[in-house]
Amino acid sequence: DVKVTQSSRYLVKRTGEKVFLECVQDMDHENMFWYRQDPGLGLRLIYFSYDVKMKEKGDIPEGYSVSREKKERFSLILESASTNQTSMYLCASGLGQGQYGYTFGSGTRLTVV
Amino acid sequence: AQKVTQAQTEISVVEKEDVTLDCVYETRDTTYYLFWYKQPPSGELVFLIRRNSFDEQNEISGRYSWNFQKSTSSFNFTITASQVVDSAVYFCALSEAGGYQKVTFGTGTKLQVIP
Repeated sequence: DVKVTQSSRYLVKRTGEKVFLECVQDMDHENMFWYRQDPGLGLRLIYFSYDVKMKEKGDIPEGYSVSREKKERFSLILESASTNQTSMYLCASGLGQGQYGYTFGSGTRLTVV
Repeated sequence: AQKVTQAQTEISVVEKEDVTLDCVYETRDTTYYLFWYKQPPSGELVFLIRRNSFDEQNEISGRYSWNFQKSTSSFNFTITASQVVDSAVYFCALSEAGGYQKVTFGTGTKLQVIP
């Protein structure tokens, strides 16, 4: 069964900490994405990557960075966590360029205190 | 810029009722893709359907059906004879066909099916 795996389901971090959210896919997909989901706002794209070592900013990249050193792994980094980054973070991967739909991970609910 | 509007924030229906989830989109592209995803309480979004802009045929899959109308920029989703397992948040999404083909999601409609 094909999968996108996010390393943590729940995470609590302190303000100012550096936070790493990991995502691994086993489908050999070129494209990977990080979204955050907030009530009333739907899913908003933070960053995406269409190839190893390539990255593109999404709609809300401020306060985040990403790393993609291997095709199967896409990491989201919060350089200095803040309370307004408390959210559900969803990783997704896709074959081609979006027209086939994405496979999503189960999400990481991050709370910054 | 692309935009997807799901005006219904929450809907409650009694089991076995039919329910339609609305989706209206905006895009300047002539070629694009539309999607519906389901997010059950477990949190993982599940892909339901994809439609390209050149295919306006309605589609039916079991109790699910989708009505795509370019004239009104709508891509509505109907569940017939709803069941408790249909309770979830449903997202409509739009993907551009050029560039990096980013996907824009609507804000979601939470469907509660009451037994």
